[in-house]
Amino acid sequence: EVQLVESGGGLVQPGGSLRLSCAASGFIFRNYAMHWVRQAPGKGLEYVSAISSDGDYTYYANSVKGRFTISRDNSKNTLDLQMGSLRSEDMAVYYCAKGEGSSWFESYDYWGQGTLVTVSS
Amino acid sequence: DIQMTQSPSTLSASVGDRVTITCRASQTISRWLAWYQQKPGKAPKLLIYKASTSQSGVPSRFSGSGSGTEFTLTISSLQPDDFATYYCQQYNTYWTFGQGTKVEI
Repeated sequence: EVQLVESGGGLVQPGGSLRLSCAASGFIFRNYAMHWVRQAPGKGLEYVSAISSDGDYTYYANSVKGRFTISRDNSKNTLDLQMGSLRSEDMAVYYCAKGEGSSWFESYDYWGQGTLVTVSS
Repeated sequence: DIQMTQSPSTLSASVGDRVTITCRASQTISRWLAWYQQKPGKAPKLLIYKASTSQSGVPSRFSGSGSGTEFTLTISSLQPDDFATYYCQQYNTYWTFGQGTKVEI
């Protein structure tokens, strides 16, 4: 059974940093691109970042470029999102998601349960 | 960036109704479109990918169609479990979601 379990969310002050993690199991992690998607309270889904299966390629939404860093450890089946210079507009539930196929541009067939990031002083 | 526009934003319907949600892309995306269902407090669930391919386990009342810039999600006979918010997503050029369509009673 595929499982994605996020952790690391919490309360952080504006300008602060936070590191999210996603532990994957039930599939061959190194074969799939992985993604982070967020959802602000009461709002829609917003794409955040992607990383290729081998970690060589990354992509960031303009809203987080230069502040967030995505990474993965294929030996530990983990996906991370290092978030810095956090703003109130970064407050959201953050989901990790698995690419449906083996290529870079895919839909997401499995999602984690999400972890809440609250940015407030 | 490719923009995705869903309509309507909210849809009021009854059990048994046929429901159609439209998603338009700002430029052609071939058939690289997915549909997701999200219920309150839950993660999204993949329903349809490649515009019309149903994800395993998805009830047959859900179907997708379209190509290029215009796509539709149809629920042939709305069931109580289908009241939720639905999102389209393009993955032709990076990834973009529509703003969502809430299906309510």
